[in-house]
Amino acid sequence: SQTIHQWPATLVQPVGSPLSLECTVEGTSNPNLYWYRQAAGRGLQLLFYSVGIGQISSEVPQNLSASRPQDRQFILSSKKLLLSDSGFYLCAWSDEGTETQYFGPGTRLLVL
Amino acid sequence: DQQVKQNSPSLSVQEGRISILNCDYTNSMFDYFLWYKKYPAEGPTFLISISSIKDKNEDGRFTVFLNKSAKHLSLHIVPSQPGDSAVYFCAASAFYNTDKLIFGTGTRLQVFP
Repeated sequence: SQTIHQWPATLVQPVGSPLSLECTVEGTSNPNLYWYRQAAGRGLQLLFYSVGIGQISSEVPQNLSASRPQDRQFILSSKKLLLSDSGFYLCAWSDEGTETQYFGPGTRLLVL
Repeated sequence: DQQVKQNSPSLSVQEGRISILNCDYTNSMFDYFLWYKKYPAEGPTFLISISSIKDKNEDGRFTVFLNKSAKHLSLHIVPSQPGDSAVYFCAASAFYNTDKLIFGTGTRLQVFP
């Protein structure tokens, strides 16, 4: 069966520091991968998605970037965090060509 | 522009009664709809989905109804249980971009004894 992992689970970072969140998927090949953010009191905002290694689509202009160095690995990064980057970050995967996405446990990021 | 809307931020229902969560959409190109359930500090879990060729899909206590002419879908939970207390998101995708889901802002359901 497929599983999706995210780490760390919780992160507290100072403003201006770098960020790296990692997501890995097991039990499937060539998945579509997604990064979402859930800000307090808001819905799920799609940040990036990838349909293959090295292929990244950005949905909103922002302080973040994403990379997919391996088929089942998706990384969310920032060179300098802003206070507004605080939130709950979710990674998700889906099989190519299917709509249903499956989410990881999430990472809670607090930027101080 | 919010293409998927959940206008009720919260809903409170007594245990054993029916919970009805509503979702409206504006994009007539959406042809697949999903409901997710989310507990605090966890990732959303997939509940149930429906294709636009159907108007109803049922899975145990969960039923999703789709009214295409009204661009409206609803999730019915019968009977409601305290463990159903969570935030529920509806999501939609368009036939021309099945890889991408557009989520609503969520409805917090509280089921009380």
